[in-house]
Amino acid sequence: EPEVTQTPSHQVTQMGQEVILRCVPISNHLYFYWYRQILGQKVEFLVSFYNNEISEKSEIFDDQFSVERPDGSNFTLKIRSTKLEDSAMYFCASIRTGPGELFFGEGSRLTVL
Amino acid sequence: TQLLEQSPQFLSIQEGENLTVYCNSSSVFSSLQWYRQEPGEGPVLLVTVVTGGEVKKLKRLTFQFGDARKDSSLHITAAQPGDTGLYLCAGEGGSTLGRLYFGRGTQLTVWP
Repeated sequence: EPEVTQTPSHQVTQMGQEVILRCVPISNHLYFYWYRQILGQKVEFLVSFYNNEISEKSEIFDDQFSVERPDGSNFTLKIRSTKLEDSAMYFCASIRTGPGELFFGEGSRLTVL
Repeated sequence: TQLLEQSPQFLSIQEGENLTVYCNSSSVFSSLQWYRQEPGEGPVLLVTVVTGGEVKKLKRLTFQFGDARKDSSLHITAAQPGDTGLYLCAGEGGSTLGRLYFGRGTQLTVWP
């Protein structure tokens, strides 16, 4: 069964460092997303991406965050200068076309020290 | 921001009991989705309800979407230990496909 894959599964970084989280969405999917979940809190929308551009971003997704689809398979989330409060589980998700099921990856746990 | 209040936050029951989880909002959603999330994994979709008043059944799980499309419930009949997990509701309401507003989740534990 096709799945969304994310790397790394866990990353520990120092405050102020840049982090790149990588995702490989399901191959024929067209819409891509990043969500995050701080421990004990709700899953929160960060950004949606379609046709090589951001279609919507939340207030969390400030100018420290960026997304990129550098080739036909990868979808990355970059945090330029991490803060303690960026510690969370980050989920990548994708949809083939609308309306359709949102498939989530297993997540990347980011710990900022 | 469209808020979804999910209750209860924790539910601990014996095998064989029935339970209901609620998801409420003051906002209207175009669809409401229920997910199950295991520790260390991403949410996995159980069902999507789209029409006000819609009822969907998935074996022992019954999902209902309120007539006004502002609330939803998940009812489990004769719960089993394998039902243990985190259940999340999420509403799709904005103009962006796949932009979901999640509830906080209900952690269900079913004891044998």
